[in-house]
Amino acid sequence: DGGITQSPKYLFRKEGQNVTLSCEQNLNHDAMYWYRQDPGQGLRLIYYSQIVNDFQKGDIAEGYSVSREKKESFPLTVTSAQKNPTAFYLCASSSGQAAADTQYFGPGTRLTVL
Amino acid sequence: EDQVTQSPEALRLQEGESSSLNCSYTVSGLRGLFWYRQDPGKGPEFLFTLYSAGEEKEKERLKATLTKKESFLHITAPKPEDSATYLCAVQGASNTGKLIFGQGTTLQVKP
Repeated sequence: DGGITQSPKYLFRKEGQNVTLSCEQNLNHDAMYWYRQDPGQGLRLIYYSQIVNDFQKGDIAEGYSVSREKKESFPLTVTSAQKNPTAFYLCASSSGQAAADTQYFGPGTRLTVL
Repeated sequence: EDQVTQSPEALRLQEGESSSLNCSYTVSGLRGLFWYRQDPGKGPEFLFTLYSAGEEKEKERLKATLTKKESFLHITAPKPEDSATYLCAVQGASNTGKLIFGQGTTLQVKP
């Protein structure tokens, strides 16, 4: 069954802690993305990667870090420098082969800071 | 700067009452306009991609249309299971791989 998985579904973080959100895809897609969704706001791009071992900052990268060591995986670390990390985090992937290829989303991780 | 505005923010319909959702956009060199459906607590589900003005796509009770400034998602004879938030996004020539999302329209269909 092809798709995108994210784990965990719910994550609780204490202030000052770093946490890592997992994103895996078996669609053989080259490009992967991380978005943040807050109530009443559209999805905002945090980081994206169009190829293994390369990634670019999105619109709200401060306080986040990523790695892309394998084609299938694109983990996101929320660092203690992120001042307001409570949000719904969405990972997406696309083939990366077309000028406007469709992005497919995972089920999301809800992060809450205690 | 690329921008997307969706209206209305919320829409309540009776079952069978057809209506339209609007997505107005400003983008330099539209490469694609995307519609997604999102249920509460879940990731967005892809519905349609439109590439050029005049294009139309249909899926069950949904029909998406595109002009040079806006897109409409027409819902014909909606059912309660069509209740969800509908998201519109654009990709422009200056933002390779990046989608710019609107805030979404939350649709509630009452039986």
